[in-house]
Amino acid sequence: QKEVEQNSGPLSVPEGAIASLNCTYSDRVSQSFFWYRQYSGKSPELIMSIYSNGDKEDGRFTAQLNKASQYVSLLIRDSQPSDSATYLCAVKVDTGGFKTIFGAGTRLFVKA
Amino acid sequence: NAGVTQTPKFQVLKTGQSMTLQCAQDMNHNSMYWYRQDPGMGLRLIYYSASEGTTDKGEVPNGYNVSRLNKREFSLRLESAAPSQTSVYFCASEQGSTNEKLFFGSGTQLSVL
Repeated sequence: QKEVEQNSGPLSVPEGAIASLNCTYSDRVSQSFFWYRQYSGKSPELIMSIYSNGDKEDGRFTAQLNKASQYVSLLIRDSQPSDSATYLCAVKVDTGGFKTIFGAGTRLFVKA
Repeated sequence: NAGVTQTPKFQVLKTGQSMTLQCAQDMNHNSMYWYRQDPGMGLRLIYYSASEGTTDKGEVPNGYNVSRLNKREFSLRLESAAPSQTSVYFCASEQGSTNEKLFFGSGTQLSVL
C-alpha cells in the first residue's frame, strides 16, 4: 500500500463551483501535510500546509486535517479555469530525519 | 536569487550509458531530495539527504546512486541507464524542520532509448 493515496481523477467541475480533493495516508509518524499545485510542464508549488486537526483557510483554499482518520483534504471555492492543474498531496514523516512523500496527484479541470 | 538549480534540463541517453544529474541550492538548506515523476504516478522519492554527509533511500532507489557533495550540492547518478528510467527528475530542498515546505528545481526531462 502506498503511503499517500489520492484519487488520480480527473476531477471536472464547472467554473464557480467547489472542488474537493481528498488524500489519505498510512499509519506513520506523519508530522505535517501539504498541498502542492503543478501546472503541466512546471515544478510543483506550495498552496497550503496544515499541521493540526481542523480547518485552515487561505483565500479560496481550505485545507482540512483529521489525524484520527488519517485524512487530509483541500477545498477550492469559486473554482476558476486557472485552477486547472494537478494537485499533489504531500506528507512529511519523521524517520529520524524528515522526508516528504507524495501521492499520485489529482488532475483538476475547471470548465468555463 | 537562484534557489534550486538543476542541470541539465534535457538529456537523451542510450541504454547502458551513465550520467549524473546535478543539483545545487543557495538557501543554506539542510535537506535535499531527488524525485522522479512519471505520468499518473505523482512524485516518487528516489533518495534524500537530511543533512550534509548523510543519504537515505526513498521509495524507488534501485538503479540510482547519490552524493551529497557538500551542503549546497546533491547529485544523482545513473550508472547504467535503462528505458524504465525515462522520466522527469526533480531536485528539491528544505530547511529540514517539521513545517518547512519544499523548494523545487525546474526539472530534468530524461529519455533513455
